[in-house]
Amino acid sequence: DGGITQSPKYLFRKEGQNVTLSCEQNLNHDAMYWYRQDPGQGLRLIYYSQIVNDFQKGDIAEGYSVSREKKESFPLTVTSAQKNPTAFYLCASTNRQGENYGYTFGSGTRLTVV
Amino acid sequence: DAKTTQPPSMDCAEGRAANLPCNHSTISGNEYVYWYRQIHSQGPQYIIHGLKNNETNEMASLIITEDRKSSTLILPHATLRDTAVYYCIVSSGSGNTGKLIFGQGTTLQVKP
Repeated sequence: DGGITQSPKYLFRKEGQNVTLSCEQNLNHDAMYWYRQDPGQGLRLIYYSQIVNDFQKGDIAEGYSVSREKKESFPLTVTSAQKNPTAFYLCASTNRQGENYGYTFGSGTRLTVV
Repeated sequence: DAKTTQPPSMDCAEGRAANLPCNHSTISGNEYVYWYRQIHSQGPQYIIHGLKNNETNEMASLIITEDRKSSTLILPHATLRDTAVYYCIVSSGSGNTGKLIFGQGTTLQVKP
């Protein structure tokens, strides 16, 4: 079945370390997105990519980096510059062709700084 | 992208219809109305979307007012599994940036 896979489900990081969250999709979707969710809050956009080798900053990109070397993959690196990285991270994808389709979301990665 | 206003919480009896309102008074002509829901600690799930006509699928119905300034998501026979946070979003869709801007949503509690 097609879908989006995020890994790991839970991740613990020591302060000062960089960590990379994986997001892989087999839906042949062109666009991919990373969101962050804090407890009791809505989702906030970190980065997005509409085509391979291109990506744009979202509303809260500081302290994060991404790459889009393959259509299927959009990894997110949480760097040591991110002051408050503990959150629930969600990856999504959609098809940019024609009609506006809904987004498909992954099941999320919960990052905790210890 | 336009902003939306939703009530923070609603209750619904199991088996009854749940009607979730959303105001989007600044929506522009090319913006769609999307509804998603998020069950605790999971990724959001797409429910339905529409431009100006009412829409129905196997999950829900979407009623958009003629002036497009508000809409209502209808879950015809709510079950306990429909308890979730429901997000109403307006967006010009993937044809442009494709960004979805999430607000606080409505927490729907379906009660036995």
